[in-house]
Amino acid sequence: QKEVEQNSGPLSVPEGAIASLNCTYSDRVSQSFFWYRQYSGKSPELIMSIYSNGDKEDGRFTAQLNKASQYVSLLIRDSQPSDSATYLCAVAGGNEKLTFGTGTRLTIIP
Amino acid sequence: GAVVSQHPSWVICKSGTSVKIECRSLDFQATTMFWYRQFPKQSLMLMATSNEGSKATYEQGVEKDKFLINHASLTLSTLTVTSAHPEDSSFYICSASQADNEQFFGPGTRLTVL
Repeated sequence: QKEVEQNSGPLSVPEGAIASLNCTYSDRVSQSFFWYRQYSGKSPELIMSIYSNGDKEDGRFTAQLNKASQYVSLLIRDSQPSDSATYLCAVAGGNEKLTFGTGTRLTIIP
Repeated sequence: GAVVSQHPSWVICKSGTSVKIECRSLDFQATTMFWYRQFPKQSLMLMATSNEGSKATYEQGVEKDKFLINHASLTLSTLTVTSAHPEDSSFYICSASQADNEQFFGPGTRLTVL
């Protein structure tokens, strides 16, 4: 069974600091990796996708992928209170279906 | 990113009635759409994969006769919850797939069955 593991948190980070979110996956043939942000009562919003080893930066967000170690992480620089949300890691193989982790609840403390 | 809409955003119905939820990709054509369900404080659970012009593929444990899916066009998929019961109350979310497996989610439909 394909599994995606995340620390459920809550993770508390002071405003302006770097928030680090981690995710591990079990299926070695996974090809696509995503981070979604979900505010309470809302649907997930895609914030980052990454497909190859290394770092991918987009604004304050950096995704990191290490396929050998089967982990993917998300760094949020200069954390803002509006970043407080649940962050879902999702992994896809070759059939378009996403397997989601249970999410990490992030709280940015002003 | 791509825009996906859902309608209605919330619905309250009596036990035993059927409810239809629409999912539309507004600015792109989606050959594949997905239907998820999310219970409070839990992650998303994939219910089925909807392919335009063919039958939906349901995940294990999801009753295809209870959750009817129709993907009539490249921009519209519908989910009908038939004979709804209180245990079907949940947050139903659709997504549409673009290139490289990226899925964009609709805003969700909150269903409450009395």
